[in-house]
Order: sequence, then structure tokens, then C-alpha cells
Amino acid sequence: QQPVQSPQAVILREGEDAVINCSSSKALYSVHWYRQKHGEAPVFLMILLKGGEQKGHEKISASFNEKKQQSSLYLTASQLSYSGTYFCGTLRASNDYKLSFGAGTTVTVRA
Amino acid sequence: GAVVSQHPSRVICKSGTSVKIECRSLDFQATTMFWYRQFPKKSLMLMATSNEGSKATYEQGVEKDKFLINHASLTLSTLTVTSAHPEDSSFYICSTPREGTTPNYGYTFGSGTRLTVV
Repeated sequence: QQPVQSPQAVILREGEDAVINCSSSKALYSVHWYRQKHGEAPVFLMILLKGGEQKGHEKISASFNEKKQQSSLYLTASQLSYSGTYFCGTLRASNDYKLSFGAGTTVTVRA
Repeated sequence: GAVVSQHPSRVICKSGTSVKIECRSLDFQATTMFWYRQFPKKSLMLMATSNEGSKATYEQGVEKDKFLINHASLTLSTLTVTSAHPEDSSFYICSTPREGTTPNYGYTFGSGTRLTVV
């Protein structure tokens, strides 16, 4: 049930790009993305509801391939503030409300 | 935006005692509240779902008598860890839909409670 996230961790220098993937073996209705800083609660980044939809939050964007049950989060021109653990959360139906979270991807951005 | 205030942020208690964690929705009504538990460097594991005015539903493997959840009003949900033991030490977080009852606008989380049982 839990989506699979990859990679587990990534280290970037400021200005570099990264991609985080989230995949499920089951059909998905929506994919959520959250970022959590150490010792803090997760913060909502964006939600993708339809196949092929792409969204953006500053220089962070995401896509959702409904047919492949995959979503990717793109960190573009990374900033120090992008450091944290990114979680994808999935819902399988329109009447589903219990998010299943991936294991998380720890992103470290260095100056 | 939807803000959930969670208290306390940190608590240390002795084994055998009970601890109450509160989550209050500010400026909006939280019909549904989700309670998660998170171990260090791990993902969020859903413990239970509470709905205002009704009994909470617990995920498989979660002891309902140990983790008492009350959602007596549309702005307050509480989690009480009863007879706490060191293995209950964890980060507990509440969450609710950002808009109304639909998940289609994402979820907002409380700031979390770091529980340490000694």
C-alpha cells in the first residue's frame, strides 16, 4: 500500500537540480507532496489530481503520470531552504482520505 | 490558511503516567483529524482517524485503550497516551484537510509533539 520513493537521499550544491520519484503498484487518484524539516511537522507543497498534470511551487514542480501510477517532484536551481525530507502521500480513490506516505527522500543542499 | 495548533511540543513523562496531546484548529472547523506517529528518520504512520462527535477509528495494530482519542468539538481533538512506556516515545503529529473535509487541497499538520517516556 505504501508508495515507493526514490532516491532515499540526495546531496546537492546550491543551484543544482534533482528529481524525486514516487510510484505505486495500485491505481492512484491523487498524489500529495510534503516537505519536513528536522524536528518539525510536514508542510504541504502541492497536490496532483489528474494524469499528466504538472504543478509548481516556486522552483519546485511535480508531475503525475496516472497511467504509470507515478509522480515526480522536480527541484530546480535548488536553494539552501530546500533541504529537508520530502514525502509523497497517495490516495487511491476520490472517497479515500487516508494518505499513505512513502519512506521519504532526504535532500541536503550545500552552499 | 488553515492552521492547527498542537501542544505540548515536547513532553517528558515517567513510565506509567498518561500524557494528553491537544490539536486545535484555528479559524476553521476540523471535522476530521488524523493522528500519526513518526519514529526518527522514518515515515509517518497513521494511528487513527477521529471525527467530531463520533468514536475514532484505529489502524490495525494500534491499541485503542492505550491511545485514547477524543474529538469533542469541531476545533479540538486530543490524543491521550495512557500508561506510557519507553517504547511509546515518539513524535506524534495531527493532521486535517486544509479546506473543509476534502483531501483535494492537501492536509495541514500540527507542529508535532516529541514524547519521551523515562
